[in-house]
Amino acid sequence: ETGVTQSPTHLIKTRGQQVTLRCSSQSGHNTVSWYQQALGQGPQFIFQYYREEENGRGNFPPRFSGLQFPNYSSELNVNALELDDSALYLCASSLGSGYPNEQFFGPGTRLTVL
Amino acid sequence: GEDVEQSLFLSVREGDSSVINCTYTDSSSTYLYWYKQEPGAGLQLLTYIFSNMDMKQDQRLTVLLNKKDKHLSLRIADTQTGDSAIYFCAEYNDYKLSFGAGTTVTVRA
Repeated sequence: ETGVTQSPTHLIKTRGQQVTLRCSSQSGHNTVSWYQQALGQGPQFIFQYYREEENGRGNFPPRFSGLQFPNYSSELNVNALELDDSALYLCASSLGSGYPNEQFFGPGTRLTVL
Repeated sequence: GEDVEQSLFLSVREGDSSVINCTYTDSSSTYLYWYKQEPGAGLQLLTYIFSNMDMKQDQRLTVLLNKKDKHLSLRIADTQTGDSAIYFCAEYNDYKLSFGAGTTVTVRA
């Protein structure tokens, strides 16, 4: 069984640029959720994708967008990067969006915006 | 809305028990979770409890839930140096996990 993988591991961008982060879900999982974890804080929910459709969204502006592909892998895109976007971005996969919703996390992508 | 609060730090001697506390506000939460994050790593799901249960035990881990007070705790028996990490409690509603700020557990020899 393959776990959740994310790429790249680290990324440095400048303010105003755009970034794409990638996530491969655990085998057998059809749902991917993205979270932003600022330094010293708990993860904050960005959005969830279930069978290629956005299933729910947290309090993030539209410049945060995503995609899910037929193989259930996913991308997170952030446009017009701001300094406050510097964070660890985590994706988590699960089987469906119902309960008990065990979400399994990848190692994250550390994004630094200069 | 949902809001999850945790104490920020806990120091414990190796071999003792650790107790990490958490309070939440959303009474409709059906499941509550505990995650562990080691430095530079993602989150590892440790255990979860259904809201109609009072207690769940899983090897060295014991979860206690007081639904009336919206209080959740995680007890780690026989704490080891490998248990040093940040522990997050979380509730799941409306497609999202809502996390506390995390409790940093330091295990001293």
